[in-house]
Amino acid sequence: QSALTQPPSASGSPGQSVTISCTGTSSDVGGYKYVSWYQQHPGKAPKLMIHEVNKRPSGVPDRFSGSKSGSTASLTVSGLQPEDEADYYCSSYAGNNAAVFGGGTKLTVL
Amino acid sequence: QVHLQESGPGLVKPSQTLSLTCSVSGGSISSGGYYWSWIRQHPGKGLEWIGYIYYNGNTYYNPSLKSRAIIAVDTSKNQFSLKLSSVTAADTAVYYCARHGVVTKYFDNWGQGTLVTVSS
Repeated sequence: QSALTQPPSASGSPGQSVTISCTGTSSDVGGYKYVSWYQQHPGKAPKLMIHEVNKRPSGVPDRFSGSKSGSTASLTVSGLQPEDEADYYCSSYAGNNAAVFGGGTKLTVL
Repeated sequence: QVHLQESGPGLVKPSQTLSLTCSVSGGSISSGGYYWSWIRQHPGKGLEWIGYIYYNGNTYYNPSLKSRAIIAVDTSKNQFSLKLSSVTAADTAVYYCARHGVVTKYFDNWGQGTLVTVSS
């Protein structure tokens, strides 16, 4: 069970769009529709932003969207705002009632 | 809204056992439908799933920690716990408890986290 692969950093200017990738294998991301994304501000607990690949929980702005192609999932943040600056983690079901996280991506709003 | 709160010692000596408790309010662990989870985050690093437990006691662990971790549930207190044995400095981390949907398979509610330092 290896961690999912995310780029360590991403950045964009206010108003722009940025996409963060999350690459796994056919045993996790590629095999199931259960990819979720979490936002974490410094010193805070992670917050669910996207579940089941592309579903947004109530209260999450529609600027956040998710998708998946093969074994790579993506989180897109459109219309970047300063408060979007945070660490983002993907997670996937990995079969046999196991979960796996990505290494995290630090999103900087320039 | 379910609220989760971790508690336990912030300092543990090497080779000893780390013990944490997660108290759940605003919902009953016994109602089913959720796994009750432990996740940790090493300083400045990413998230690592430790394992989770169902209200009936069924447990599932990260293979990398399975030999040292024990998760238990106390439905009478609406709490669940983590014990991690033979700790080393590499177990220094912020430990989170969280709720994970059995069917939906995501972590929807998290505790605030508690820092556990392993040091003599």
